[in-house]
Amino acid sequence: DQQVKQNSPSLSVQEGRISILNCDYTNSMFDYFLWYKKYPAEGPTFLISISSIKDKNEDGRFTVFLNKSAKHLSLHIVPSQPGDSAVYFCAASGGSNYKLTFGKGTLLTVNP
Amino acid sequence: DAGITQSPRHKVTETGTPVTLRCHQTENHRYMYWYRQDPGHGLRLIHYSYGVKDTDKGEVSDGYSVSRSKTEDFLLTLESATSSQTSVYFCAISESAGFSYEQYFGPGTRLTVT
Repeated sequence: DQQVKQNSPSLSVQEGRISILNCDYTNSMFDYFLWYKKYPAEGPTFLISISSIKDKNEDGRFTVFLNKSAKHLSLHIVPSQPGDSAVYFCAASGGSNYKLTFGKGTLLTVNP
Repeated sequence: DAGITQSPRHKVTETGTPVTLRCHQTENHRYMYWYRQDPGHGLRLIHYSYGVKDTDKGEVSDGYSVSRSKTEDFLLTLESATSSQTSVYFCAISESAGFSYEQYFGPGTRLTVT
């Protein structure tokens, strides 16, 4: 049973436009959410996170939105740059342990 | 960048042979994790450690064992490698101070079992 779902395997956008990556979760115990970026042949790198007490967190060009009632979060990248082309993983954690549950990832391609 | 190294970075081995992957950190973080990444599956947790000699299973632990005898080292062992264990393996660490769950990943080990 997949608890964190990224339903779009891939997304293609033009440079300068907004990229919106989506993530849905099913476990009501999740209370902290993270986004990771991964380039080929490298480890994932932490990008941005949000706790369930917030509905928005912003860091430069990256903003994460959380809709708890819909169990949905999204990552907005504005403006998108070719260097943003990578696989983006959504992850969630909750309860007293420190494990993360990851989605399957979305491949973002930003075209010049 | 967090100080995490993995060794070896690439390995080809035959079915039935034992394999040990090593993760080494210089951050003195309490928590360490082993994941595997496969196409169509994202990142899946194999085992994790919450302190020296304290480990627990993740969602895909069958066929794997781990050991942590020092804070800085976390070993993943495939007792008898199978072709289904061909994958890219990532180690991660976290400190989990306060309300923070960020994990930081190593560069990965690509393992091929023939």
